[in-house]
Amino acid sequence: NAGVTQTPKFQVLKTGQSMTLQCAQDMNHNSMYWYRQDPGMGLRLIYYSASEGTTDKGEVPNGYNVSRLNKREFSLRLESAAPSQTSVYFCASMGKLSSWGEQYFGPGTRLTVT
Amino acid sequence: GIQVEQSPPDLILQEGANSTLRCNFSDSVNNLQWFHQNPWGQLINLFYIPSGTKQNGRLSATTVATERYSLLYISSSQTTDSGVYFCAVEGRGSEKLVFGKGMKLTVNP
Repeated sequence: NAGVTQTPKFQVLKTGQSMTLQCAQDMNHNSMYWYRQDPGMGLRLIYYSASEGTTDKGEVPNGYNVSRLNKREFSLRLESAAPSQTSVYFCASMGKLSSWGEQYFGPGTRLTVT
Repeated sequence: GIQVEQSPPDLILQEGANSTLRCNFSDSVNNLQWFHQNPWGQLINLFYIPSGTKQNGRLSATTVATERYSLLYISSSQTTDSGVYFCAVEGRGSEKLVFGKGMKLTVNP
């Protein structure tokens, strides 16, 4: 049982490049989330998916797109990276049945955009 | 939307001391969780506690939903307790957690 996994762990991009961050969970959770963490800002929600087939915007969605590929996987795409997207990105999942209401996080992806 | 405030923002302790972290929230909640982010960046779920009291070893948490606050108690602190503690809440009718800005705890040996 790996919990929530994310790839890659580190990434450096040039302005304008694109990339996709991958996230997968093996806890059979319905809900999945993407956050970014910046110094002094706590965690801010980018997008979330309450169930397979649905996605919704969070607090800071501009510049990002997401795909809920299936129940296990939720990816985050940066189409044209900007220096303001330099951050640490966390994926999380949450169950509503087993481990009801508890949110579990992946190890994070440290992204630098130059 | 719902607001979450944590206090104090920073705390420095000597090993063995006790501490209380506070989380205030602005509206009724379905869900409240406490997380610990260790110095390596990993976020660990400590408690799911929308109301009542729970204990796990040296840590315990109490949420008084009617007064819109939650407390996290750390007793006999250890250096491994260092890191940032986050409170997060899910408002009624919402499907997402809103995080406070966190409280940085440093426990010195």
